[in-house]
Amino acid sequence: SAVISQKPSRDICQRGTSLTIQCQVDSQVTMMFWYRQQPGQSLTLIATANQGSEATYESGFVIDKFPISRPNLTFSTLTVSNMSPEDSSIYLCSVEGQDLANYGYTFGSGTRLTVV
Amino acid sequence: GDSVTQMEGPVTLSEEAFLTINCTYTATGYPSLFWYVQYPGEGLQLLLKATKADDKGSNKGFEATYRKETTSFHLEKGSVQVSDSAVYFCALSGGGNDYKLSFGAGTTVTVRA
Repeated sequence: SAVISQKPSRDICQRGTSLTIQCQVDSQVTMMFWYRQQPGQSLTLIATANQGSEATYESGFVIDKFPISRPNLTFSTLTVSNMSPEDSSIYLCSVEGQDLANYGYTFGSGTRLTVV
Repeated sequence: GDSVTQMEGPVTLSEEAFLTINCTYTATGYPSLFWYVQYPGEGLQLLLKATKADDKGSNKGFEATYRKETTSFHLEKGSVQVSDSAVYFCALSGGGNDYKLSFGAGTTVTVRA
C-alpha cells in the first residue's frame, strides 16, 4: 500500500494565524482526502483533492477557511486559516488503494494542531 | 446518506477475554466495509476489510464478517492482549457516497493485565 508522509506532526499556533500541512505520497494517486478528528471524536471528511481541479468540500467546510492545493499526483497541502481554538484537532490526509487486493484507504500519521 | 453506527465505549476488558464491537451500517448500493485501529499517540491503520457480502476480513486475530441481511460488520477477537488497547473505528465506502469513507464514532478499548 501507499506510504504517506505528513508534516508537521504537531504544532502549537496563535489564534488568527494560518498553518499549512503537507502530505507526500510515495506513488501517484488520483484522489487525496483531508480529514479532521476533533478531540475524542471520530473522523470527518473536510474535502477531496483531485489533481488539476478545485477541491470538493463537504458540508460545513469552505475553501476560504481550508484552502487546498494539489499541484501533482503525489502531493497536497491543507491550510487552516485564521485559526481559533475550535480548530484544535488532528488533521489527516488519506489516499485510496489502487487495486482490489489493496483496496482500502491509507492514512498519514496526522498533524496534531493546538490553537492558543 | 451513508452512515455507520458503532457500539459506544469505553470498553474495559481483562487479558484473554473475548471482545466484540458491534457495527451496523446504512448505505445504498454495495459498500465496502472496514475496521481501522488507532493506537495511543499514533495514526490510523487499516485493521481489516471486506468488499462484498459474506466476506470475512481477518488480521492480528481479529475477524469481521460482512452481513448484508443484518447490515452489520461486527469486530471480534477471541483473546485480547494489553497491546490491543486502542480506539477502533468502523467505516464504509462505495455506497451512496461512492468513494468517500464514512466513519463510526469509534470505540475505545482498554485491556488490563
